[in-house]
Amino acid sequence: DTEVTQTPKHLVMGMTNKKSLKCEQHMGHRAMYWYKQKAKKPPELMFVYSYEKLSINESVPSRFSPECPNSSLLNLHLHALQPEDSALYLCASSPTPDLRELDYNEQFFGPGTRLTVL
Amino acid sequence: DQQVKQNSPSLSVQEGRISILNCDYTNSMFDYFLWYKKYPAEGPTFLISISSIKDKNEDGRFTVFLNKSAKHLSLHIVPSQPGDSAVYFCAAHGGSQGNLIFGKGTKLSVKP
Repeated sequence: DTEVTQTPKHLVMGMTNKKSLKCEQHMGHRAMYWYKQKAKKPPELMFVYSYEKLSINESVPSRFSPECPNSSLLNLHLHALQPEDSALYLCASSPTPDLRELDYNEQFFGPGTRLTVL
Repeated sequence: DQQVKQNSPSLSVQEGRISILNCDYTNSMFDYFLWYKKYPAEGPTFLISISSIKDKNEDGRFTVFLNKSAKHLSLHIVPSQPGDSAVYFCAAHGGSQGNLIFGKGTKLSVKP
């Protein structure tokens, strides 16, 4: 299994809803990432989990709450979002957090969840 | 302030010819660079990478060149194929925690 899966593919939610995005990989990767990508913009890093511990939070508002229940799963809990939070949310994983440690150590991306906040 | 810059938003090339995509960076601490390809409605797909200790890395039709003194890298695709049409992102890695910084992307169109 050499892929990162994300569910759901599409999500529409109101500003008072609580929802969760799910990401899964079974490649034994020990680093997992959440990115946000707006239209015609590059992916922007939100969070990094390194060996199941949160290692980077790029000043993301608290209405986004990440969780790493185990080494294969990464969740992003959403609560009280704003319409400007509508975007493509990408999950990625890599064998280790330090991409220089190994040859062919890159981040593998999932297909993303297209989120619309009404 | 953009640390990774892709100054050409788009590039159009004839099938069979060479595509050259450029990327500049400002932070001399960056030591590992990656190119990703992205189709609409899909996540980015890794293409090729280069460490700062090298100046060239080749994988099939794809070659990445790194000029550290100029803080510039380029991706060469030879020969270009219509299936290469996508948005190409340059990304830089400069720390032990895996955070990648992406350029804005270049949309490549390869015409038959």
